[in-house]
Amino acid sequence: EAQVTQNPRYLITVTGKKLTVTCSQNMNHEYMSWYRQDPGLGLRQIYYSMNVEVTDKGDVPEGYKVSRKEKRNFPLILESPSPNQTSLYFCASSLLAGVSEQYFGPGTRLTVT
Amino acid sequence: ILNVEQSPQSLHVQEGDSTNFTCSFPSSNFYALHWYRWETAKSPEALFVMTLNGDEKKKGRISATLNTKEGYSYLYIKGSQPEDSATYLCAFCTGNQFYFGTGTSLTVIP
Repeated sequence: EAQVTQNPRYLITVTGKKLTVTCSQNMNHEYMSWYRQDPGLGLRQIYYSMNVEVTDKGDVPEGYKVSRKEKRNFPLILESPSPNQTSLYFCASSLLAGVSEQYFGPGTRLTVT
Repeated sequence: ILNVEQSPQSLHVQEGDSTNFTCSFPSSNFYALHWYRWETAKSPEALFVMTLNGDEKKKGRISATLNTKEGYSYLYIKGSQPEDSATYLCAFCTGNQFYFGTGTSLTVIP
């Protein structure tokens, strides 16, 4: 089944404790992206990747890192999480950037205390 | 920061009514306009990807139009059904970056 998977789905952590949210797609998509969803705001893009080893900042990259060492995986790293990073996170992928529809993962609900 | 606006913010319609929403976006740096349907407790699902001025797309009872010169897109739902209840998102794409609106929440009353 074609899908985007994220893990964990839910996470409660403390300020400063490094964490990684994994994202994997099995559709051989070139483009992958991370978004965060906060109440009253639209989905905001954190980082995106056009292809392996090619990543770039989105609208709200501060406090996040990503890597794209393999085509299928695009982990989101929070080196020192803070409470303002409490949010719902979505990973998405598409065959090509922009002209192909994005497939979203199930989301990761992160709470930083 | 690039501004994408959707209106109305929410909408309640009776089953069988037809309805439409608006997505406004900058007329410069346009590459594509996406529409997504987002049901509660699920993930956004793609409805349409539109790239050309004048584009019209249709999927069942849902259709969309695009005007890149004036910077707007309309989403139409004909004969709304309760299962159409969801939040409808539009996203403006500059080629590699996406900017989402806050969505239109549609409730279809049986």
